[in-house]
Amino acid sequence: EVQLVESGGGLVQPGRSLRLSCAASGFTFNDYALHWVRQAPGKGLEWVSGISWNSGTIAYAASVKGRFTISRDNAKNSLYLQMNSLRAEDTALYYCTKDRRMIAVVGEFDCWGQGTLVTVSS
Amino acid sequence: DIQMTQSPSSLSASVGDRVTITCRASQSITSYLNWYQQKPGKAPKLLIYAASSLQSGVPSRFSGSGSGTDFTLTISTLQPEDFATYYCQQSYTTPRTFGQGTKVEIK
Repeated sequence: EVQLVESGGGLVQPGRSLRLSCAASGFTFNDYALHWVRQAPGKGLEWVSGISWNSGTIAYAASVKGRFTISRDNAKNSLYLQMNSLRAEDTALYYCTKDRRMIAVVGEFDCWGQGTLVTVSS
Repeated sequence: DIQMTQSPSSLSASVGDRVTITCRASQSITSYLNWYQQKPGKAPKLLIYAASSLQSGVPSRFSGSGSGTDFTLTISTLQPEDFATYYCQQSYTTPRTFGQGTKVEIK
C-alpha cells in the first residue's frame, strides 16, 4: 500500500523557517516525481513545488519561489520542503503528493498524504 | 499562469441525479486535465486523469470529457458517498493550477 506521511508542521512566527518532511513507502520511491500542494483553511488547492525522480527538474509556484526549497533523499525515501521567510499567507495544510506516471514529471497526483498544518502567526 | 474556472461553485442534488461540473482553462491545455474529489477533513483523491481516463479503483459512474479549453466531469447516478468538493487541475504546464472547486451538496 502506498503511504505518504508528512511531518514538521507547527506554529511559527512570520519571517522564521520551518522544514517539512514526507516519508514514503509502498512504491519504488526513486521512480516517481513528487510534489507539495497546500490548502489554506477553508480554501482551495494550490500547487507549491515539484521535483523529478532524480532531482534534475525542480519547479516552484511564484508565490514561494526564492523562499522555499524542495529536495529529496532517495536513499531515505523522503521528500522535504525547506520554508524560509514565512508569511501569514503561507498558513495552510501542506500535502505531499506523488506523480501517477513513472519517471515523467506530469503533475497527475495519484496519492496524497494526510497533510501537515503550518500556521504562521505572531 | 493558466487560470482554471469551474462552474458552478456549488450545487444541490439528490441521490440518483446526474451531475455535471464544468471546467474551463484560460488557454488550450489539450487533454492535460485532471479531476479530484475531496471530502471534509480528507486529502483529495484522483478520479480522472488526462481528461477522460478513469483512475484505478474509481467507480464507473464518474466520467470525464473535453479537450482544449472546455472540460466536463459527470457523475451518472449520484450516490450518498459522492457528496464532496470537486477540483479540476491542469497538468499542461508549470505552475500546475487548480480550479476553485465545486461543492456538491445534498438537496
